[in-house]
Order: sequence, then C-alpha cells, then structure tokens
Amino acid sequence: ELKVEQNPLFLSMQEGKNYTIYCNYSTTSDRLYWYRQDPGKSLESLFVLLSNGAVKQEGRLMASLDTKARLSTLHITAAVHDLSATYFCAVDIWSNYQLIWGAGTKLIIKP
Amino acid sequence: IAGITQAPTSQILAAGRRMTLRCTQDMRHNAMYWYRQDLGLGLRLIHYSNTAGTTGKGEVPDGYSVSRANTDDFPLTLASAVPSQTSVYFCASSDRGKSGTDTQYFGPGTRLTVL
Repeated sequence: ELKVEQNPLFLSMQEGKNYTIYCNYSTTSDRLYWYRQDPGKSLESLFVLLSNGAVKQEGRLMASLDTKARLSTLHITAAVHDLSATYFCAVDIWSNYQLIWGAGTKLIIKP
Repeated sequence: IAGITQAPTSQILAAGRRMTLRCTQDMRHNAMYWYRQDLGLGLRLIHYSNTAGTTGKGEVPDGYSVSRANTDDFPLTLASAVPSQTSVYFCASSDRGKSGTDTQYFGPGTRLTVL
C-alpha cells in the first residue's frame, strides 16, 4: 500500500524558532509537492521537487528531497506568525495519474 | 483569470437527495480532480480525469460519479446523499503530461452537510 506519512501532525512553536516537518513515503518517486492551507481556505502550491537532492527555498521556508531515503523535509527558519497554516506533502505516482497526500501538519506559531 | 471556480460554496442537503457539485476551470488544463477533505484524514481522491472524455476512480469513489464532457467542466454528482458524505469537497486541475509535473491548482471548495 502506498503511504505518505508526515510528522509531526501538530506543531506549536514560538516565533523566531526553527523547526522541520518530515514527509516519508513508501514507494519510488522522484516528484514531491508541498502545499499550504490556511484555515477555512483552499490549498496553495508552495514547492515542486523534481529530483534527488532538489532544494527549493522561498522566504523562511526551505524544502528538500532525498529520493533514496524516500524523505522530504520542510524547514522553517525563524518562524513568524504568518506561517501558521496546515502544510501538506504529496507524492507523485506518475503511472497512476495521482498524487498521494500526507495527512498534513498543522503549524501554530505563537507571537 | 478566475482559475477554478466551484459552486455552491456550501450546501445543506437531506439524506437521499441527489446533488451535483460544479467545477469549472479556465486554464485549459487537461487533468481535473475531485477530493474530499475530512478532519484528520487529509485529502482523499474521489475521481479524476486526465483529459476530456475520460474519467477514473480514485481512493474513495463509491457513491459519487463524474463526467468530463469538455476541457473546462468536471461536475461531481452524489446520486443519493448519505451523512458520511458530509465533507469539504475540492476540485483541482493540472496540466499533467504537458509540463512534466502535476502541480495541482485548487478551487475554493464546497462545504457539504448531509443530514
């Protein structure tokens, strides 16, 4: 069974701190996506990682992909309140025409 | 450019009633998707369509049907709604196969309550 596991599922942290969200997956894939969802809103694409060793950064967020370990990380540097949201990773199973989604990590950043 | 629109925004429906959720995109994307999102379960794929005229089943297709008569529209129908179909429904689209990625763009969602 194809599985995508995120951890932690819930994270409460203080502004200014660093933290990492992990996304493990159980099948071979070289494409992985990170999305953000604000409460009551839709999902917004953050990063597309297309190969082993890929690293993407925007602002205080940095995502990386290790296809050999089947692991992606989303690192938050010096967190600010505006980054409070739920973050999802999704693995691309190209042959199945589907993305397999993690359960999401709810991130709360306290001022 | 509107992107993806969904209608209605929210709906309360009596069990046993038929309901169609509408989804329209103006990006000329070839692929479209319907997901449901339930607390603690993330996103689950209901049905998808890789191109107009074709559809496929996702992880949780039972009780739902879709059609893809043209590129822009991808309606989702609940033939006889049941309370377990209470959820938030998201439509998404992508230009899968053309861009080399499957970055999906999501609509605003429909909040459906079945009583």
